[in-house]
Amino acid sequence: DGGITQSPKYLFRKEGQNVTLSCEQNLNHDAMYWYRQDPGQGLRLIYYSQIVNDFQKGDIAEGYSVSREKKESFPLTVTSAQKNPTAFYLCASRPQGASQPQHFGDGTRLSIL
Amino acid sequence: KNEVEQSPQNLTAQEGEFITINCSYSVGISALHWLQQHPGGGIVSLFMLSSGKKKHGRLIATINIQEKHSSLHITASHPRDSAVYICAVRLNTGNQFYFGTGTSLTVIP
Repeated sequence: DGGITQSPKYLFRKEGQNVTLSCEQNLNHDAMYWYRQDPGQGLRLIYYSQIVNDFQKGDIAEGYSVSREKKESFPLTVTSAQKNPTAFYLCASRPQGASQPQHFGDGTRLSIL
Repeated sequence: KNEVEQSPQNLTAQEGEFITINCSYSVGISALHWLQQHPGGGIVSLFMLSSGKKKHGRLIATINIQEKHSSLHITASHPRDSAVYICAVRLNTGNQFYFGTGTSLTVIP
């Protein structure tokens, strides 16, 4: 079945450590997105990519980095510069076209040890 | 300031009731997206619309572009409809989406 796979489901980070969240899609979608969800707030955009080897910062990119070396993969690294990384992270993808909806993964919950 | 406002924030209904969730936005959009988030966190797309009305089963979504307002209706509500319903808008200036904070719905048997 086609879909978006995020891993791991739960992740723990020590102070000063970088961690990478995986996002893979087999939907052949061009665009991919990373969002952060905090209690009581709407999803906020971290980074998005419309094509391979290209990505743009969203509203809260500081302390995060991404790569898009393959169409199906869009990993997110939470660096030690991100001082408040505890959150629920969602990856999404969508095909080209203004009327096309986003498809979401099941999310990764990141916590600080 | 949030570009997308949803109401109510929380909603409790008896099984069988007709439910309405509202979404207002303040920016120019090319489309509006209704999403459902289950307790485990996964998000499912319900509707994407840019005008008029769409229906799928017991769910109906409407949008009024002039008034910058959309509603999601659930007819004959059921406990399995309990979830967080999220409104998101796609700006007409790019590929970004802005999200409301969600409406938490609980349907009691």
